[in-house]
Order: sequence, then structure tokens, then C-alpha cells
Amino acid sequence: GQQVMQIPQYQHVQEGEDFTTYCNSSTTLSNIQWYKQRPGGHPVFLIQLVKSGEVKKQKRLTFQFGEAKKNSSLHITATQTTDVGTYFCAADAGGTSYGKLTFGQGTILTVHP
Amino acid sequence: EAGVVQSPRYKIIEKKQPVAFWCNPISGHNTLYWYRQNLGQGPELLIRYENEEAVDDSQLPKDRFSAERLKGVDSTLKIQPAELGDSAVYLCASSFNKGFASTDTQYFGPGTRLTVL
Repeated sequence: GQQVMQIPQYQHVQEGEDFTTYCNSSTTLSNIQWYKQRPGGHPVFLIQLVKSGEVKKQKRLTFQFGEAKKNSSLHITATQTTDVGTYFCAADAGGTSYGKLTFGQGTILTVHP
Repeated sequence: EAGVVQSPRYKIIEKKQPVAFWCNPISGHNTLYWYRQNLGQGPELLIRYENEEAVDDSQLPKDRFSAERLKGVDSTLKIQPAELGDSAVYLCASSFNKGFASTDTQYFGPGTRLTVL
């Protein structure tokens, strides 16, 4: 079955430092989504990437989709304490699996003030 | 707009007991998902409904788990009998399937935290 790996598993940063999490799929993807889950909360949709090489920005967050559509990254510039949480990528392989998301294990971000 | 509603929020039971979770999706959303999230892991899909039809239940342990979505709105997930390994957070999500090849944004409920003793 499809495997989605995320690294690192944990990241501790000082407030103001940058943060990046990487997501790699064993198969070519139709699209990839990113979610954020605050401690004790539920996953909240951040963004969807569809096109090869696509780059999208949301304020301090930059999302990239690899040229081969098998990997993705999320970069946060100048982290704030409000960025604390677990960031998940969720991959859609498309085809007969269209609409089925396989989540990575997530990267837990802690930000020290 | 109200979000996805789930109940109960917490449930503690002894092993071999039955348990049921309820989900009310966002109004107008035709697709409903049940996920299980173990501690430190991402959500894993158990079952997906398009309206009343279960279109993907390949990861639902059918010997003890069952689900239904009557009238294509609310859904119930049941475990009978529960085992120690079923302790997890059970998340319900919903989306509006536009009907073409694009993965729809999923909106998650707060989840039910199940503890099996």
C-alpha cells in the first residue's frame, strides 16, 4: 500500500527561527494536502497542492510540491508561539484511490519563547 | 456555519464492552469519513461514505467494527466487543464532493477519545 513518510518527527525551535517539515510518498500523487493539529485539537486544513512544482504561500507559510509529485515540504519563516502543533501531510494517490487521503505521521513543532 | 459535531467527546469502557460514536457532518456535505488516530500518529481512514453508500471500507475491521449512515446525513460507528488496542481518538470528517477529479477539503470534528480498560 501507499506509504507516506514525514521528517523530522519532532522539531524544537526558538521563537523567530525557521521550521521545515518534509513529506515523501512511495508513489506518484494526484495531490497533497497539509493539515495542522493543535495540542488536544483536531486536524485543520491548511492547503492543497495539485500541480507539479507548485509553490503556494500563506503569510509566513510556504508549501511546495515536488516536480515528480512524490514529495512536498512546508516551511515556516520566523516561527511564533502560535505555530505550535503537529503538521501533517495527507497524500491522495488518485486513480481508484481518488479522494482517499493517507496521512503522514506528522511533525510535532514546539516553539520556545 | 456549524462544524462537524461528534459525541461523546470522551468514553471509558472495559474490554469486551460495546461502544458507539455519533457524527453529524457539516450541512450539505455529502461525503463523510471515519478515522482512527493513535497517539503520535496521523489519522487512518476506517470508512468513507458518499451519501448513504460506503465507498471505501477496506480498512474497517469488520469482525468488530460497523458503521452506518442512514439518510445520508448523520453517521454512527460501533465497536463490539472493544479490545484494549482500540484505545484511540476516533475522528469524523466531512466534505462536499464536487464530482470531478479533485480531492475535497475535509473538515474534522473534535473527535471521541476512547479508552478501553
